[in-house]
Amino acid sequence: DAGVIQSPRHEVTEMGQEVTLRCKPISGHDYLFWYRQTMMRGLELLIYFNNNVPIDDSGMPEDRFSAKMPNASFSTLKIQPSEPRDSAVYFCASSSGGRLGATFGSGTRLTVV
Amino acid sequence: QKEVEQNSGPLSVPEGAIASLNCTYSDRGSQSFFWYRQYSGKSPELIMFIYSNGDKEDGRFTAQLNKASQYVSLLIRDSQPSDSATYLCAVNPDRGSTLGRLYFGRGTQLTVWP
Repeated sequence: DAGVIQSPRHEVTEMGQEVTLRCKPISGHDYLFWYRQTMMRGLELLIYFNNNVPIDDSGMPEDRFSAKMPNASFSTLKIQPSEPRDSAVYFCASSSGGRLGATFGSGTRLTVV
Repeated sequence: QKEVEQNSGPLSVPEGAIASLNCTYSDRGSQSFFWYRQYSGKSPELIMFIYSNGDKEDGRFTAQLNKASQYVSLLIRDSQPSDSATYLCAVNPDRGSTLGRLYFGRGTQLTVWP
């Protein structure tokens, strides 16, 4: 099992540019989560999907953020336009059923300059 | 976001000692509780979960849950320098068929010195 795979590992972009983060969950997992981690706010839940359907996006900070899950093996988190305050580590995680916790990917470190 | 509170630390213990990490949560109806370990620059890694009141032991780790007090703790016995990391408490507030979200505390930084 390759685990949760995220790409890219690092992203440096200029303010105003579009950023797309990618995630491949563990095969067979029916929940997918996007989290953001910063020193100031810790680990925040942005959005989660169940069986490819967005269930709760109340954590998405602004309309600049959007997430999709077109199939069971792929999800994207897009920021357009990006701002310096979006700089953080973005984690994707997946789980089976939710009761056993979630497995995290290695994260994408985003820096917006 | 649901409130999950942890002492930020840092907590420093000598090798071989017991490290005690604490967590409180605000949603009384929460059902599932998790402890994650995060090494610097790495992703969170699940180490324990607990659903029922009482203690759950796994090797050197013991999770304790008291739903009446809305309190979860993690004990690490015979602490090793390799246990030095940030420990994150996570709570799943969902009930019934919707089981998924995890809300995290800010984490407690643990240092085990030789």
